[in-house]
Amino acid sequence: ETGVTQTPRHLVMGMTNKKSLKCEQHLGHNAMYWYKQSAKKPLELMFVYNFKEQTENNSVPSRFSPECPNSSHLFLHLHTLQPEDSALYLCASSQNADGAYNEQFFGPGTRLTVL
Amino acid sequence: SQQGEEDPQALSIQEGENATMNCSYKTSINNLQWYRQNSGRGLVHLILIRSNEREKHSGRLRVTLDTSKKSSSLLITASRAADTASYFCATEGGSYIPTFGRGTSLIVHP
Repeated sequence: ETGVTQTPRHLVMGMTNKKSLKCEQHLGHNAMYWYKQSAKKPLELMFVYNFKEQTENNSVPSRFSPECPNSSHLFLHLHTLQPEDSALYLCASSQNADGAYNEQFFGPGTRLTVL
Repeated sequence: SQQGEEDPQALSIQEGENATMNCSYKTSINNLQWYRQNSGRGLVHLILIRSNEREKHSGRLRVTLDTSKKSSSLLITASRAADTASYFCATEGGSYIPTFGRGTSLIVHP
């Protein structure tokens, strides 16, 4: 266990559904991240939150909406997704996002399938 | 982009053999990290090497860094079937956020 949990572990949704992914870290970290992992592609950084403030939005479509109510919790709200959004969504945390030697701790991921 | 690129994409070896994976990148970095991912799971941090270091060891892992060639290698000695996983390098430069490559898929046959 890395100290980062994600729920649900698997999610199947239709293109018109609205769902949310949840991430929680128990490490006392100040930075949290959302990544998308698709087959044969590099891990894609989606969003970064540092001390609850969004510091990176890597040109992510608006159908993905992040929320960080506190340093321990991170959500990814999903609506009107496309089949190409099917992927493994990984959450990570680190001590902070503005210092060097930034080891990241990953959750197990949510396997998302969009029908 | 300072994204690292791992080579080879896939590696298949017998238990007991050594496995070597390489990572190349394009711009200067503060540090380089290696991560491991078991199938369908999250990534686990293995080792971090700073830009002023040339070699680092952790158990059966040996990482080298050559900043003049902008490359790093990860050596796993005496591999085991349990080492079967994907291995990623992540480079960290001015943004302080690690940037990951596509990974090397390692299969160790018992």
